[in-house]
Amino acid sequence: TQLLEQSPQFLSIQEGENLTVYCNSSSVFSSLQWYRQEPGEGPVLLVTVVTGGEVKKLKRLTFQFGDARKDSSLHITAAQTGDTGLYLCAGAGSGGGADGLTFGKGTHLIIQP
Amino acid sequence: EAQVTQNPRYLITVTGKKLTVTCSQNMNHEYMSWYRQDPGLGLRQIYYSMNVEVTDKGDVPEGYKVSRKEKRNFPLILESPSPNQTSLYFCASSSSTQTGGFYGYTFGSGTRLTVV
Repeated sequence: TQLLEQSPQFLSIQEGENLTVYCNSSSVFSSLQWYRQEPGEGPVLLVTVVTGGEVKKLKRLTFQFGDARKDSSLHITAAQTGDTGLYLCAGAGSGGGADGLTFGKGTHLIIQP
Repeated sequence: EAQVTQNPRYLITVTGKKLTVTCSQNMNHEYMSWYRQDPGLGLRQIYYSMNVEVTDKGDVPEGYKVSRKEKRNFPLILESPSPNQTSLYFCASSSSTQTGGFYGYTFGSGTRLTVV
């Protein structure tokens, strides 16, 4: 079974600060995705990274896939209160995603005004 | 609107009373999965389907059944629910890209099940 370890589990920072969330595994993934989940709702896809070393930007969010495709990071610049939520990383294995995803346990992010 | 629809959103039931949680997607996706989400354990896959009549077990399949008779529907069946199946359940769907990758999963809004 492939495992994804996310850190930190909880993070509370002030608006305007920067932060990084990490997602690590000993397994290689064919791709890795980041989702954001609001209370009472299902996860919503933010980004998919496929190639080792790949970097993708989504406004103030920067996502990076490790060179060996075993880890990823999410960096938020100048955090805003609207960034508050549960951030989940999820890896696709040998089935390429057709057989579902392995999820990390998530990072609960609170941005204080 | 492209979406995954789960019903019901909330359900309280008694131990042993069979129930079905429905899931329907309107995006013509091949891939569908069921997950349960529990505090401290995260999202764990119950069953998945790669196409009509093709289903397989995920990481926590005990006590659950699924079927995929039509592409759009993927119901989750609990034949004899027990209190340890109290959880938040999500259905999700996805499809492959033209270059052999896959799009991210679209999730339903969840079903909060309580078994007493």
